[in-house]
Amino acid sequence: DTEVTQTPKHLVMGMTNKKSLKCEQHMGHRAMYWYKQKAKKPPELMFVYSYEKLSINESVPSRFSPECPNSSLLNLHLHALQPEDSALYLCASSPREASGVLDTQYFGPGTRLTVL
Amino acid sequence: GQNIDQPTEMTATEGAIVQINCTYQTSGFNGLFWYQQHAGEAPTFLSYNVLDGLEEKGRFSSFLSRSKGYSYLLLKELQMKDSASYLCAVNRAAGNKLTFGGGTRVLVKP
Repeated sequence: DTEVTQTPKHLVMGMTNKKSLKCEQHMGHRAMYWYKQKAKKPPELMFVYSYEKLSINESVPSRFSPECPNSSLLNLHLHALQPEDSALYLCASSPREASGVLDTQYFGPGTRLTVL
Repeated sequence: GQNIDQPTEMTATEGAIVQINCTYQTSGFNGLFWYQQHAGEAPTFLSYNVLDGLEEKGRFSSFLSRSKGYSYLLLKELQMKDSASYLCAVNRAAGNKLTFGGGTRVLVKP
C-alpha cells in the first residue's frame, strides 16, 4: 500500500484566518515532505521531516508552520496567508531520508488552497 | 543554480511511441525520477535511474546518461489515458531533495 492521504481536499480561507492541512501515511515511512505547486508549474519543496524532526526548510515564510506530531502525521499550519499563496499543497513520504541515500517519494492527492 | 529542462508539450497518436527528453545541471546528483501527473491530481511515481542505462517497466522505459546530464522517458503503445504531464526530477543527494523540471504535457490523440 503506497497511500498518502491529505485533508481537506479543498480549502478556502481569508487572509486573517488560521487553518491547518493534514497529511497521513501508514507505510512506516520515516521521511515526510511538504510541496507547493502553482498551476502549470512543477512542485516546489517547502519542508522535509526526517524521523519527526525538521531537517530542511527551503526558506519558507513563517506564515507556514509545519508540525510532525508522530511518524505517521504531518501538519501544515497556515496563518495570515496572502492570495499568492493559493496553490495545490502536496504531501509526500519516503521510507527514509538520509544524505546520499536514494529513496522514492510517494505523493498524496493534495489540498487545493484558495486564499481570498 | 539548478537547471532541469524538458519540452513543454508533445502530441502523439494512440498506439504510437513518444520520447520525452530531460537535461539537467544540478549541484549534487543522486538519481533521476520520472513522475506522471494528471491535471489536478498528485504526481505518481513511474521510474528512477541511478546508474547509466535503460530501465524498463512495462510500456514505460527510462534512460540515463550521467556524463551527458541527460535522461529520457519512453512511452510505448500510447493509450488515451497516458495524456498527462510527465515530470523529470533530480534527487540532489543531501536531504533526499527532489528538484523538478517544468514538466512535459503529453496529449494523445485518437
